[in-house]
Amino acid sequence: ETGVTQTPRHLVMGMTNKKSLKCEQHLGHNAMYWYKQSAKKPLELMFVYSLEERVENNSVPSRFSPECPNSSHLFLHLHTLQPEDSALYLCASSQDLKRRRGEQFFGPGTRLTVL
Amino acid sequence: AQSVTQPDIHITVSEGASLELRCNYSYGATPYLFWYVQSPGQGLQLLLKYFSGDTLVQGIKGFEAEFKRSQSSFNLRKPSVHWSDAAEYFCAVEEDTDKLIFGTGTRLQVFP
Repeated sequence: ETGVTQTPRHLVMGMTNKKSLKCEQHLGHNAMYWYKQSAKKPLELMFVYSLEERVENNSVPSRFSPECPNSSHLFLHLHTLQPEDSALYLCASSQDLKRRRGEQFFGPGTRLTVL
Repeated sequence: AQSVTQPDIHITVSEGASLELRCNYSYGATPYLFWYVQSPGQGLQLLLKYFSGDTLVQGIKGFEAEFKRSQSSFNLRKPSVHWSDAAEYFCAVEEDTDKLIFGTGTRLQVFP
């Protein structure tokens, strides 16, 4: 595997379910990100991790819970979601958070539908 | 606050025609600017980036972009569009320490 992978690619869940999204990067990067992409809206940065430490949480509801057990893996745990949370969730990584000019490498995303 | 505006939500061109996608940014310091492309069902892929130096930057797939500080613009161009270029294009400016601010995107449709 190369680049940034995400599983599952599609997920349908009820509002009372608990599920997790997984992201893995094979690039040796130190920073990882979760974005939410909704129709007709700019990408919304949700969480940023650098060297497994959360450095940014953009006022995301607590029903989204990230986890970064090591610099290669990032999870987004979901519970009691709302229909408006349906979106494409993108994971990205970059080499180093402390340095500007960082190109971000994106995974293909997980298309989430909340019923 | 920094922001990125892509005024065109949807553009349609014929295959072989030239293309220009507009991007305007609001940023106080020297901007670091990016163009990403997203094909259906895929994540975003970097087309090109501008940090400093030559204001005309070349990217992958035959794309180029020109930084114009006086107009706060970073428009993306391609002289001859191919059907495979149909996708959504996002302009982004880098805020502090790797934080990207994205525009709302421009969807490109290519007719044969």
